[in-house]
Amino acid sequence: EDQVTQSPEALRLQEGESSSLNCSYTVSGLRGLFWYRQDPGKGPEFLFTLYSAGEEKEKERLKATLTKKESFLHITAPKPEDSATYLCAVRVSGGYQKVTFGTGTKLQVIP
Amino acid sequence: EAQVTQNPRYLITVTGKKLTVTCSQNMNHEYMSWYRQDPGLGLRQIYYSMNVEVTDKGDVPEGYKVSRKEKRNFPLILESPSPNQTSLYFCASKGTTNTGELFFGEGSRLTVL
Repeated sequence: EDQVTQSPEALRLQEGESSSLNCSYTVSGLRGLFWYRQDPGKGPEFLFTLYSAGEEKEKERLKATLTKKESFLHITAPKPEDSATYLCAVRVSGGYQKVTFGTGTKLQVIP
Repeated sequence: EAQVTQNPRYLITVTGKKLTVTCSQNMNHEYMSWYRQDPGLGLRQIYYSMNVEVTDKGDVPEGYKVSRKEKRNFPLILESPSPNQTSLYFCASKGTTNTGELFFGEGSRLTVL
């Protein structure tokens, strides 16, 4: 069974304190790993797609990386507006339309 | 503005009273999907549709129905709601870009008493 595990469940950072969120996965044939951001009371908002080990994507203070077993979302010098829940999801081969989500990491950045 | 619109946003109902949550997208996407989000369980797919008149079950389809008569609309139907269907529901659509990005609606919070 495909599994996606995110850690930590919650993370509290001081403004400017860099850190990383982890997404480990056990799937049969990865066809894409996705990162989304979800603000309270809102739907998830797309951040990145990674397709192969070694791939990296960046957007402002966020950088996503991928290995054969896990992905990291690195947050450099975070600001309070980066506070949100970050969701990881995977799409597997043979299940083009099935996207399995992790339970998310709730990030709080304190001024 | 490109968007996915869900209604109602909030609903309190009673066990057994049929209800429909509507979903509409204005991006001409062929693919649409419904998810429910519960604490500790994350987002779980209920049903999806690859195009008009084509729908299929996701991971948790029991107690739900869907229809796709028009490309832009994908309503979620609860024929006889039960308390275990109390949840936050999201509709999403996807185009054909390489990113595989899902566009989500704002969510519908349903409480079944």
